[in-house]
Amino acid sequence: KAGVTQTPRYLIKTRGQQVTLSCSPISGHRSVSWYQQTPGQGLQFLFEYFSETQRNKGNFPGRFSGRQFSNSRSEMNVSTLELGDSALYLCASSLNSRELVGGTQYFGPGTRLTVL
Amino acid sequence: AQSVTQPDIHITVSEGASLELRCNYSYGATPYLFWYVQSPGQGLQLLLKYFSGDTLVQGIKGFEAEFKRSQSSFNLRKPSVHWSDAAEYFCAVAAGNNNDMRFGAGTRLTVKP
Repeated sequence: KAGVTQTPRYLIKTRGQQVTLSCSPISGHRSVSWYQQTPGQGLQFLFEYFSETQRNKGNFPGRFSGRQFSNSRSEMNVSTLELGDSALYLCASSLNSRELVGGTQYFGPGTRLTVL
Repeated sequence: AQSVTQPDIHITVSEGASLELRCNYSYGATPYLFWYVQSPGQGLQLLLKYFSGDTLVQGIKGFEAEFKRSQSSFNLRKPSVHWSDAAEYFCAVAAGNNNDMRFGAGTRLTVKP
C-alpha cells in the first residue's frame, strides 16, 4: 500500500503570495490532518478533515484553510504569506476520525515552504 | 489543555549503549500517549502508543516506553542503540475527548560510533 504523499516537496514563495499544498492519504483512509513544524514552535496541529468536513482546528489565523475532496485527498491553502509561515507542513492520514486520538496516524514526508 | 515536556533537547549516546528519553505530560485524566521518530527530511513514524492497560508498552525497532501516572511520565527506552537510531524523537499526548494532539519540542539523538 502506498504511503501518504505530499506535493510539492519544496516551495519558495514571497510575502503576500498565497500557496496551496496537497496531500494524498493512504488508500482507504478518510481522515487527513495537517501540522506545521518550525524550529521555534515545534509541531502544531492545524486542522483535521474527515469525510470532506473540517472536524477540528488548531489555533491558527484564518489565512490558513483547507479542504478535502470526495477521494479523501486534501489541500491546504495559506493566503497572504508572512515570513513566519516558513515551515515544514506535514500531513497525516488515519482510517477514521476517532483514530486521530486512539489510533495510528501515518505521516507524509512534508512540504518545505520558504517565504522570502 | 494537555501539554508535553521533553526536558532534553539533545542527547548523545554510544552505539550499543542503553537509551532513555524523557517525556512528561500534563493532563487531568488518563491521556493517550505516543512516541514518534523523525529522520532528517522525513515525516514522523509512530514508534509506540499507550491508551490503557499494561503500563509497559512495546514498540517497533526494539523501543519500549513505560507510563507512570504518579510521575506524569512516559519515558522511551531502548537497551542497545544502533547508529540508525540517530533521529529526532517526539512525545505526544492526545486528550480523550477531543482530537487535539500536542507534541513535545523533540529530543535529537546522536549516536557515537
